[in-house]
Order: sequence, then C-alpha cells, then structure tokens
Amino acid sequence: GAVVSQHPSRVICKSGTSVKIECRSLDFQATTMFWYRQFPKQSLMLMATSNEGSKATYEQGVEKDKFLINHASLTLSTLTVTSAHPEDSSFYICSAKPGQGANEQFFGPGTRLTVL
Amino acid sequence: LAKTTQPISMDSYEGQEVNITCSHNNIATNDYITWYQQFPSQGPRFIIQGYKTKVTNEVASLFIPADRKSSTLSLPRVSLSDTAVYYCGGKLIFGQGTELSVKP
Repeated sequence: GAVVSQHPSRVICKSGTSVKIECRSLDFQATTMFWYRQFPKQSLMLMATSNEGSKATYEQGVEKDKFLINHASLTLSTLTVTSAHPEDSSFYICSAKPGQGANEQFFGPGTRLTVL
Repeated sequence: LAKTTQPISMDSYEGQEVNITCSHNNIATNDYITWYQQFPSQGPRFIIQGYKTKVTNEVASLFIPADRKSSTLSLPRVSLSDTAVYYCGGKLIFGQGTELSVKP
C-alpha cells in the first residue's frame, strides 16, 4: 500500500517556541493531505485539510494562525505549531489520499509533541 | 457519518471470532464506512471499507445492513497481535474507538 512518513517522530520543546512537523507521501502524489490531533485515550480529531497550492481548510475551533499549514508540493505538507504551550502537547497524525476520487486514506506514523 | 457509537472495550481470546458493531444513525447517502486499527503511538491503519451489504478482504469482513445505520467489523480467529483500538468512521470522522484486548 501507499506509504506516508512523518518527521520528526517525537519532539520536545519549550513553551513559546515553534515546531514544524513534516508529512510526506513517499510513493504517490497527494493533492490533499489531512492533519489530525489525538489526545491520550481519545479518538482522532481532524484539524485541517491541506490542499496543494492553496490555503488549508481548518475545522471549527482550530486556530489557523497557531497551526500553520503549508502544502508546497504534491508529496509534502508541513504543520507548524507556533508559540507552543503545554496544552498543545499531543499526538499529531497526517494522512493522504492517493487521488481526489480515492476513498482510502493512508496515515503517517504520527509525531508526539511535548511542550514543557 | 456525523456521530458514531461503538463499545468502549471488548475482551476476547485467541482463536475466537470478534464482532465489533458501530452505530451511525446519521450516515449520509454518499458516505462510505471505514474501519481502522490503531496500535499505541502509531498512526491508524486501514482495515476495510464498504458502502452496503458485505465486504471481505484478507483480514476482516464488514457487514452493513440495508438501512446502513450500523456496521459490524468481523475479525476471524483473532491473535494476541490483534490487541488494538478499532475505529469506525466516515470520510474524515472517527468514532470513539473500541479497545480490543485479546488474551491467550
């Protein structure tokens, strides 16, 4: 199946700093990628839809100025958590679909963010 | 698939068949039903997807009744490595997940 990677897998940062997380589709092109957040013992919550070459679409309640998304190419989307605070500590997961008509989405391994 | 309901947890033993049912009363006409498996600190993995009736692949079967208000994931002969959280969902929405524990 299609492979999606994320980098880094784990990051620890100080409060007030910014952290960038990369999501790559390794063997397919993805015009659309998705970013999720998952708190311990909870389900995945969709944060935003990342569209190649255009602005991301954010879900209700997600601050677009805090969670900056850039989808610069068909294989790379980045999520930057700006001015991170301890409450931003979570497991961030991206996914991608190998085509606009595809129903199946492939997930990355996730990035564990800890803000001290 | 605006809201889904599934059991919080289930226990089973190796070699048994496990059925996990998800309720999705508000499913949209064009929504597919997808099931995912997630291990701790990993991204979800696609298991199976269907629209109606029955779908089977090498790891599971999915049963969807005619009214499509629920679906049942069937895992035949589970093993210890099937211990995980299983989510049902629609396009981009995940249910709360069922934590399956398989015991020897």
